[in-house]
Amino acid sequence: DQQVKQNSPSLSVQEGRISILNCDYTNSMFDYFLWYKKYPAEGPTFLISISSIKDKNEDGRFTVFLNKSAKHLSLHIVPSQPGDSAVYFCAATYRNSGNTPLVFGKGTRLSVIA
Amino acid sequence: GAGVSQSPSNKVTEKGKDVELRCDPISGHTALYWYRQRLGQGLEFLIYFQGNSAPDKSGLPSDRFSAERTGESVSTLTIQRTQQEDSAVYLCASSLENSNTEAFFGQGTRLTVV
Repeated sequence: DQQVKQNSPSLSVQEGRISILNCDYTNSMFDYFLWYKKYPAEGPTFLISISSIKDKNEDGRFTVFLNKSAKHLSLHIVPSQPGDSAVYFCAATYRNSGNTPLVFGKGTRLSVIA
Repeated sequence: GAGVSQSPSNKVTEKGKDVELRCDPISGHTALYWYRQRLGQGLEFLIYFQGNSAPDKSGLPSDRFSAERTGESVSTLTIQRTQQEDSAVYLCASSLENSNTEAFFGQGTRLTVV
């Protein structure tokens, strides 16, 4: 049973346009969400996060939106750049108990075309 | 070191052999995670160490898999009697205690069972 779902395995966007990556979750106890970016042959690197007490967090070209009622979050990249081409993983966790590993989605491969 | 270090970076082993993968977390990080990524799949949680608490082993796929951690430092993931389906990239990550925030990943060990 997948608790974090990224239903689009791939996305292709033109340079300069907006990229929107989506993520859905099923566990209502999740209260902290993260996006990671992964290049080939490298480990994932942290990109941006959001707490469930917020509905938006922005960091430069990257903005994450959280819709708790829909159990949905999205990552917006604007403007998209060729260097953004990578696999993006959505992750979720909850802080109320001691052992809370991050639960990841399957990832979305973003290709930004020049 | 500055980041999470994993060794070896690549490992080819014969089916039925045992393998040991090593992870050196970031100094001071009390939380340590092991994940694996099989071809075309997302990040699959294996095991989580948090300080002196009992590890969360709920993600280990079979009793052929085990992991240990020495204090708050090095961790080893051992796979006994390897099978072809164990072929994957094994990723280690570490984070600060109780942060449940950003986890820093190593580059991974690519395991190929032939």
